[in-house]
Amino acid sequence: DQQVKQNSPSLSVQEGRISILNCDYTNSMFDYFLWYKKYPAEGPTFLISISSIKDKNEDGRFTVFLNKSAKHLSLHIVPSQPGDSAVYFCAAMGYGGSQGNLIFGKGTKLSVKP
Amino acid sequence: GAGVSQSPSNKVTEKGKDVELRCDPISGHTALYWYRQSLGQGLEFLIYFQGNSAPDKSGLPSDRFSAERTGGSVSTLTIQRTQQEDSAVYLCASSFGVKNGYTFGSGTRLTVV
Repeated sequence: DQQVKQNSPSLSVQEGRISILNCDYTNSMFDYFLWYKKYPAEGPTFLISISSIKDKNEDGRFTVFLNKSAKHLSLHIVPSQPGDSAVYFCAAMGYGGSQGNLIFGKGTKLSVKP
Repeated sequence: GAGVSQSPSNKVTEKGKDVELRCDPISGHTALYWYRQSLGQGLEFLIYFQGNSAPDKSGLPSDRFSAERTGGSVSTLTIQRTQQEDSAVYLCASSFGVKNGYTFGSGTRLTVV
């Protein structure tokens, strides 16, 4: 049973528009969430995180929103750029991010078209 | 080095052979993780080392898989009697506190033929 779900395997967006990547989780013990970005033949790289005490965290063009009651988070990229084309993984863990391992979703492949 | 280094980058092995995959974490990182990504799948947790504590092996898929971390630094993931379903990209990551995110290596692509 998947504890972290990314139901859209792919997403295509026009350059300059907003990209919205969604993630759902089932484990109510999760209290720390991260997004990773992965290019082909490279390891994933950390993008942005959010603690369950917040509902929004922003870093430049990237914003993560957390809806605890719905057990849902989303990553917004605006404006989208062709260099954002990659696979995006949602990840979650408990213990406030202080220990343990991350549980990852299956990823969403984002394509930003010029 | 500045990043997490994994070797080899690619490995092709015959079914039934043993393989060893190596990970050099970032110096000073106390936690080290192994994940694998099979075709079309997400990142599957395998094992986690934190300092001198006993490793969390809960993700290892079978007893053919084992890992060790010597001196709190370099780690080796060993797969005995490899099977075709072991084919995947094996990713190592290290961290000094997850809140800053793991730093992943580029992975080892294992192909069992």
